[in-house]
Amino acid sequence: GQSLEQPSEVTAVEGAIVQINCTYQTSGFYGLSWYQQHDGGAPTFLSYNALDGLEETGRFSSFLSRSDSYGYLLLQELQMKDSASYFCAVDPISSGSARQLTFGSGTQLTVLP
Amino acid sequence: GAGVSQSPSNKVTEKGKDVELRCDPISGHTALYWYRQRLGQGLEFLIYFQGNSAPDKSGLPSDRFSAERTGESVSTLTIQRTQQEDSAVYLCASSLSGGSAGELFFGEGSRLTVL
Repeated sequence: GQSLEQPSEVTAVEGAIVQINCTYQTSGFYGLSWYQQHDGGAPTFLSYNALDGLEETGRFSSFLSRSDSYGYLLLQELQMKDSASYFCAVDPISSGSARQLTFGSGTQLTVLP
Repeated sequence: GAGVSQSPSNKVTEKGKDVELRCDPISGHTALYWYRQRLGQGLEFLIYFQGNSAPDKSGLPSDRFSAERTGESVSTLTIQRTQQEDSAVYLCASSLSGGSAGELFFGEGSRLTVL
């Protein structure tokens, strides 16, 4: 089976850098994804790491280390609009062709002025 | 349409009633997923459709849940004899294919409240 663990809450101030960690136990997966969800809104895709290492997209970066069963999302130059829930997810190899995602419980990020 | 559209956005029903939730995926997307999100929780996979292949129903929690999809368009999720534990947001997502699960496009969900 698969399980992913994330901190339930993180608080930071505007302009700061915050790292949201995701540790997982899985029998095998294709990649690690990150999604952002504002209250009452649709989850939106942020990043996908198929390989180990750092992927950078503007202010957001995502990292994966398969040997450490660990990944993180790094948000730089925090803005108030970054306050949201952030979910890590894996697409397990056991799902075969379905490529369905298994999600963590999410991290609620609060950005303070 | 421009994005994934779901209806109704909110549904309040009495325990024991049947409900039907609708999803309009992005045009041209062959893969369609249904997820359930309970308050403060992550997303729980329910069912997956890919083109004309048999759907993957492995996530459906009980036989009260069923879903259909017409070709590569609209999908409906039906919950029969609703229970209070069915209260959740039901999210639909689509993607160009099932090949890259890192690129799902979600709708805003249907919030179901069972009294």
